[in-house]
Amino acid sequence: GENVEQHPSTLSVQEGDSAVIKCTYSDSASNYFPWYKQELGKGPQLIIDIRSNVGEKKDQRIAVTLNKTAKHFSLHITETQPEDSAVYFCAATSDTDKLIFGTGTRLQVFP
Amino acid sequence: EAGVVQSPRYKIIEKKQPVAFWCNPISGHNTLYWYLQNLGQGPELLIRYENEEAVDDSQLPKDRFSAERLKGVDSTLKIQPAELGDSAVYLCASSFGTDTQYFGPGTRLTVL
Repeated sequence: GENVEQHPSTLSVQEGDSAVIKCTYSDSASNYFPWYKQELGKGPQLIIDIRSNVGEKKDQRIAVTLNKTAKHFSLHITETQPEDSAVYFCAATSDTDKLIFGTGTRLQVFP
Repeated sequence: EAGVVQSPRYKIIEKKQPVAFWCNPISGHNTLYWYLQNLGQGPELLIRYENEEAVDDSQLPKDRFSAERLKGVDSTLKIQPAELGDSAVYLCASSFGTDTQYFGPGTRLTVL
């Protein structure tokens, strides 16, 4: 079955710097890759997603890149702000719609 | 538009007791998911419903866990009897078909 690995487990950056979180997946049939942000005491919230027919997608300060050959995808946050502090999860799925999540990255943005 | 609603938000019980969680999905979403999230981990799927049919319950420990989604809207997840290792956050999510999954706030279960 699908396996998703996520790195790093923790990431600390200064406000205004960029943050990058990387994930690799094992199932070459996976074709949908969402990223979720989870704040303390809340459920995961979708922040951006990408499908396998696209190599990059951007939404304001957030971007995701996908390398199907290497089976990895990354989340890029530019101009980080303290409110970006949270746990971020990547996930992957094929058409079976069963999301397989990574183990999460705790991002801390220091003022 | 209201999001996914879950109750209770927190539950503390003693081991061997039963417990139930309730989920109300986003209006119009025919697919409903129950996930288990252990501390420091990503969510793991327990069961997925399409309308009232459970289409994937392969990860649901059927000896003590049960779920139902009567009338294809609200859903309940039950554990009987609860064990210490069941302490976790139980998340409900919903989607329209296989579109984006939207998560509720979760129920944090503590088994003493």
